Amino acid sequence: EAGVTQFPSHSVIEKGQTVTLRCDPISGHDNLYWYRRVMGKEIKFLLHFVKESKQDESGMPNNRFLAERTGGTYSTLKVQPAELEDSGVYFCASSQDSGPYGYTFGSGTRLTVV
Amino acid sequence: SQQGEEDPQALSIQEGENATMNCSYKTSINNLQWYRQNSGRGLVHLILIRSNEREKHSGRLRVTLDTSKKSSSLLITASRAADTASYFCATDEYSGNTPLVFGKGTRLSVIA
Repeated sequence: EAGVTQFPSHSVIEKGQTVTLRCDPISGHDNLYWYRRVMGKEIKFLLHFVKESKQDESGMPNNRFLAERTGGTYSTLKVQPAELEDSGVYFCASSQDSGPYGYTFGSGTRLTVV
Repeated sequence: SQQGEEDPQALSIQEGENATMNCSYKTSINNLQWYRQNSGRGLVHLILIRSNEREKHSGRLRVTLDTSKKSSSLLITASRAADTASYFCATDEYSGNTPLVFGKGTRLSVIA
C-alpha cells in the first residue's frame, strides 16, 4: 500500500511569490489533514477535509492560505503571497476514520521563504 | 486550546543508555500518542495510551500517563543510534472528534 505522498519535498521561494503544496493521501482515506511546524515550535493543525469538504479549518492562519481537495482525492495547499513567517515544514496526514486514530503522515514539504 | 509541551527540548545520550522524555498538557484528553520524526521524513506513530491506562509497553518503549498531573513520559531503553529523531506527544480533546494537538517535541541524539 502506498503511503501519503507530499511534493515537493523542498521549496525555496521569495517573499511575495506563490507556492502550491500537494498531498496524495492513501487511497480510500476520506480524512485528510494539514499540519505545519514552524522552526522550533509545535506542530500546529491547519485543517481537516472529509472527502472534498472542509470539516475544520480553524487552524488556517489567514486568508493567504487556500486549501482544496477537488474530488476528494489529492489536496493542495496554496500560499499566496508567501511571507517570511510561512517558512516551516508542512505535513499532510490521512486516515480512514474520523477522529485521532490511524493517522498516516507524509514526509512533509519544507518551505523556505526568503 | 490544549497543547502538549515536551521536555527536555533536546537530549543527547550515549548508545545503550535510556532516554526519558516528558510531555505535559492542559485539558482533559481521550488519548495521548507519541510520534517520532526522523530528519527529512514524516511523523511515525509509536504508541497510544488511553486516558484510563497508566502504563503501556511496546518493544523498547515504555509510556506512562498521569492524568491527575496531566503528564506523560516516554522511556526508550537501550537506545540505538537509529533512535536519533525528534519525538512529539499528541493529544486529542475529551470532548469529541477533534484533531490531534502536538507539542514542540524533544530532539534526541544518540551517540554511537
